[in-house]
Amino acid sequence: GAGVSQSPSNKVTEKGKDVELRCDPISGHTALYWYRQSLGQGLEFLIYFQGNSAPDKSGLPSDRFSAERTGGSVSTLTIQRTQQEDSAVYLCASNLDRGTGNTIYFGEGSWLTVV
Amino acid sequence: GQQVMQIPQYQHVQEGEDFTTYCNSSTTLSNIQWYKQRPGGHPVFLIQLVKSGEVKKQKRLTFQFGEAKKNSSLHITATQTTDVGTYFCAGHRATGANNLFFGTGTRLTVIP
Repeated sequence: GAGVSQSPSNKVTEKGKDVELRCDPISGHTALYWYRQSLGQGLEFLIYFQGNSAPDKSGLPSDRFSAERTGGSVSTLTIQRTQQEDSAVYLCASNLDRGTGNTIYFGEGSWLTVV
Repeated sequence: GQQVMQIPQYQHVQEGEDFTTYCNSSTTLSNIQWYKQRPGGHPVFLIQLVKSGEVKKQKRLTFQFGEAKKNSSLHITATQTTDVGTYFCAGHRATGANNLFFGTGTRLTVIP
């Protein structure tokens, strides 16, 4: 597609359930980022992919969080045994690579509410 | 770890007044980017600065990258209600991991 696509756009889940959030980056973009944004807060870095590998997973808040990317394209962020503090907007972004002049594009986000 | 701080956290201005937000990194950056996020929206790329001391302008917006490549500023002249939103700086570290670190953001409110 023309932009970064994320699904679902909204998800309400019960505490303790697992959720999967999907990101489909712009075609040809090798770098993919996941961020989390709580209401009215800044962007918290979660993980970064270059191709299918994740050079930096330092932002994942706990071992309940994992992410993978296949085929250098679609990425899935999985949250196991969700907690209420996981409620936030999960934003995915992509760009061509780290080189200069490459704009990073964000998806619309997946709004997660854990009840 | 990497920290990118922005000040102020919030700013209320009368329409027509100027506005400035400052971004400071704990480590040297290879580049600095600025994003605008409207309420309820996602961040949208505004500009990227790469060179030490670089200054770029976009209409009423002026962006600067510090000589040491650790700080940056965004200045808006004669604010308009359409400028409302949160402005984030972001940068890649000069060495090490390639992830893009975002600043804490400055939320701008413009009072008509």
